[in-house]
Amino acid sequence: GDSVTQMEGPVTLSEEAFLTINCTYTATGYPSLFWYVQYPGEGLQLLLKATKADDKGSNKGFEATYRKETTSFHLEKGSVQVSDSAVYFCALSDPNTGNQFYFGTGTSLTVIP
Amino acid sequence: DVKVTQSSRYLVKRTGEKVFLECVQDMDHENMFWYRQDPGLGLRLIYFSYDVKMKEKGDIPEGYSVSREKKERFSLILESASTNQTSMYLCASSPPTAVKNIQYFGAGTRLSVL
Repeated sequence: GDSVTQMEGPVTLSEEAFLTINCTYTATGYPSLFWYVQYPGEGLQLLLKATKADDKGSNKGFEATYRKETTSFHLEKGSVQVSDSAVYFCALSDPNTGNQFYFGTGTSLTVIP
Repeated sequence: DVKVTQSSRYLVKRTGEKVFLECVQDMDHENMFWYRQDPGLGLRLIYFSYDVKMKEKGDIPEGYSVSREKKERFSLILESASTNQTSMYLCASSPPTAVKNIQYFGAGTRLSVL
């Protein structure tokens, strides 16, 4: 069945460091891929998405490229800030399963000054 | 902006109580979802609904039921709360996927069952 695997945390970085959070997926069809972010005490918010192979989603300095050949959608940011501290979830939506969403387990990021 | 409102941020209930978690969205979305979020397990889908009075089981429906009498409101019901239902519960809504395949989330309800 469909699934998403993302790197386990927690991840702790210094401000201005480079961030990568790995995400790989398994899907029966051609899914859309998402990164959601959950700030402390809040619900999940869409960070970025990509709907087909080689698409790049970007928002707030974060980027992720839909790589069909490696079934990956790794999240990157060149210079993290303290305000980026949150939990990040990779997710997919597969039209072959009625576009049900499948979420990874989440990666907690803490950025220290 | 889409707004998904969950009626309570924190709830404390006793084992055996009937618990209602309420969720309201203001964007006329057809689809609504209930997830629970647990450390190390991510989000797991409990139930979802594609229309008023329609419901579908998700991955972990046991011990839960839902009600959708109006389009904007989706309720999660714990018929007899148990300690293993202590969790964060997240409600989400979305338009038809052909229109826009994005889920919008509420802030969550942290439920403790004692």
